[in-house]
Amino acid sequence: EAGVAQSPRYKIIEKRQSVAFWCNPISGHATLYWYQQILGQGPKLLIQFQNNGVVDDSQLPKDRFSAERLKGVDSTLKIQPAKLEDSAVYLCASSLAMDRAYEQYFGPGTRLTVT
Amino acid sequence: AQSVSQHNHHVILSEAASLELGCNYSYGGTVNLFWYVQYPGQHLQLLLKYFSGDPLVKGIKGFEAEFIKSKFSFNLRKPSVQWSDTAEYFCAVNINQAGTALIFGKGTTLSVSS
Repeated sequence: EAGVAQSPRYKIIEKRQSVAFWCNPISGHATLYWYQQILGQGPKLLIQFQNNGVVDDSQLPKDRFSAERLKGVDSTLKIQPAKLEDSAVYLCASSLAMDRAYEQYFGPGTRLTVT
Repeated sequence: AQSVSQHNHHVILSEAASLELGCNYSYGGTVNLFWYVQYPGQHLQLLLKYFSGDPLVKGIKGFEAEFIKSKFSFNLRKPSVQWSDTAEYFCAVNINQAGTALIFGKGTTLSVSS
């Protein structure tokens, strides 16, 4: 079974530029999560999708971050414009369903450096 | 708001030493508890989980954790660590309702010297 795929693996941009990350969850997984992991901290949920609908985006900085999962499969997370404090690893995870949130599978992450 | 506290930021041990990493959570209701591990350069992966039943759970690679409800704790233990256990360890909580994501602690870096 293929795991959660993410790209790119690394990205360096200057502040005020925009960036987008892509995630392909495990086939058949309805629930998709984006987490932000700042150095020295644990992952923090940014947004959770159930199919193509948003379940929880309460911690997403909506003035600069956006995410979509148009066909209920792949998802993109965008930052525009980026700030220095956005430097972090962005993790995508998926689970079979919302009531299987305890069984999440994580991708390798995208390490973003904002200079 | 719910939170997870990991007491040790960085633990350094010699091989064969015993390990205990502390984890406390703040939530009065029913929770699911997890320990995740991230080896250098690898994905986060599940080490063990507790949902209900026997409060002592065993995971992969000889790790175990004990849920003590009265202390809101879920400490991770291993009787004898190996160099290959060098990694970052995260405690996480999932509130026992449908649709809630994981809440992670800040993580503990374990360095094992051979």
